[in-house]
Amino acid sequence: DAKTTQPTSMDCAEGRAANLPCNHSTISGNEYVYWYRQIHSQGPQYIIHGLKNNETNEMASLIITEDRKSSTLILPHATLRDTAVYYCIAFKKSSGDKLTFGTGTRLAVRP
Amino acid sequence: DTGVSQNPRHKITKRGQNVTFRCDPISEHNRLYWYRQTLGQGPEFLTYFQNEAQLEKSRLLSDRFSAERPKGSFSTLEIQRTEQGDSAMYLCASSPLEGSGYTFGSGTRLTVV
Repeated sequence: DAKTTQPTSMDCAEGRAANLPCNHSTISGNEYVYWYRQIHSQGPQYIIHGLKNNETNEMASLIITEDRKSSTLILPHATLRDTAVYYCIAFKKSSGDKLTFGTGTRLAVRP
Repeated sequence: DTGVSQNPRHKITKRGQNVTFRCDPISEHNRLYWYRQTLGQGPEFLTYFQNEAQLEKSRLLSDRFSAERPKGSFSTLEIQRTEQGDSAMYLCASSPLEGSGYTFGSGTRLTVV
């Protein structure tokens, strides 16, 4: 699976949009971009994933550049409960699939 | 269905003792995964099952570690002769065969003293 690069930490104000970037310049054509987050002392939680097109669900939006070398996870109205470590993962859906986590971005939402 | 359940949530054991953790996946999920997470790091893959078959094991899974999934339902992870370096959060996840994402449990935090 392709390696991803994320900033170590970020912060944003409560109620504002949080934009979390991820670089995956070596991603292959059949690798999806997945985002998970991990709130302290809990297991990772699935957020969203995409291949080429931008995606939106009730939790977040995922913007993938046309060349697929980078993406941005957008939390439109961050709350204190969004404080967590966010992981961007390039993931190939195959018979041997497994998620390879990096160290992620620690997002702090401040009041 | 309450999601992926892991027991116990916390385990403190003395070095050299054996420990066993249990994972109950989401009932209709065929795949079950074990991960280990140490402080400040992302989860690391250990092993995974498709139904009852163990299909892949990481080289992180030393001979002291063994995982089973009898009848393709719950799974157990046993660590024999624990060492201080085994102290970590052990995470279980499950997914459907053609699934688009894993569902993780809350983990078992192991402390070896």
